[in-house]
Amino acid sequence: AQKITQTQPGMFVQEKEAVTLDCTYDTSDPSYGLFWYKQPSSGEMIFLIYQGSYDQQNATEGRYSLNFQKARKSANLVISASQLGDSAMYFCAMRGDTGGFKTIFGAGTRLFVKA
Amino acid sequence: DSGVTQTPKHLITATGQRVTLRCSPRSGDLSVYWYQQSLDQGLQFLIQYYNGEERAKGNILERFSAQQFPDLHSELNLSSLELGDSALYFCASSVLGTGYADTQYFGPGTRLTVL
Repeated sequence: AQKITQTQPGMFVQEKEAVTLDCTYDTSDPSYGLFWYKQPSSGEMIFLIYQGSYDQQNATEGRYSLNFQKARKSANLVISASQLGDSAMYFCAMRGDTGGFKTIFGAGTRLFVKA
Repeated sequence: DSGVTQTPKHLITATGQRVTLRCSPRSGDLSVYWYQQSLDQGLQFLIQYYNGEERAKGNILERFSAQQFPDLHSELNLSSLELGDSALYFCASSVLGTGYADTQYFGPGTRLTVL
């Protein structure tokens, strides 16, 4: 069965510093996609970044990068130069062949950025 | 702005009532997904449609139903509402509705409160 684990319920980071949000996954699918979403207090879910299991390079989108370690089954999100507006809930998600490409989400990590 | 629209933003109703949530996908997206987000259950996949046809079902109660219309907008119907149905309901859309790289973009959500 597919599973996403986010072990950090909450994290604090100082403004302008980098932070890593952990995500580990479990799947037997040979091909899969990994996603990160941000949910601010206003409630909307914002797509941040995607990594394919066969991608050779780690994905980057602006200040977001995905530290993909396939052998360790981890897909950590790195936010560089944190801003106050980065305070939000962050969800890791995975999509694979098992179950007809249903997307499963982790429980989320709440990030607090301190001024 | 993801391009996915949902109405209404807020809905307050009483137990036993029926409500309809509406979603319009991003231009060009053929697939629509419905999710329920509650405090104790996290983000739960309910159902997916692709070009008018049901493609996948998740943890959707029998009291809930959905459909996707020829213009690709979708409606989620919730009936015989219970207090436990209070949650944030998201609609998401994607281009293909299949494959591990198919990114879902979420609407702003409808916050349902059942009193």
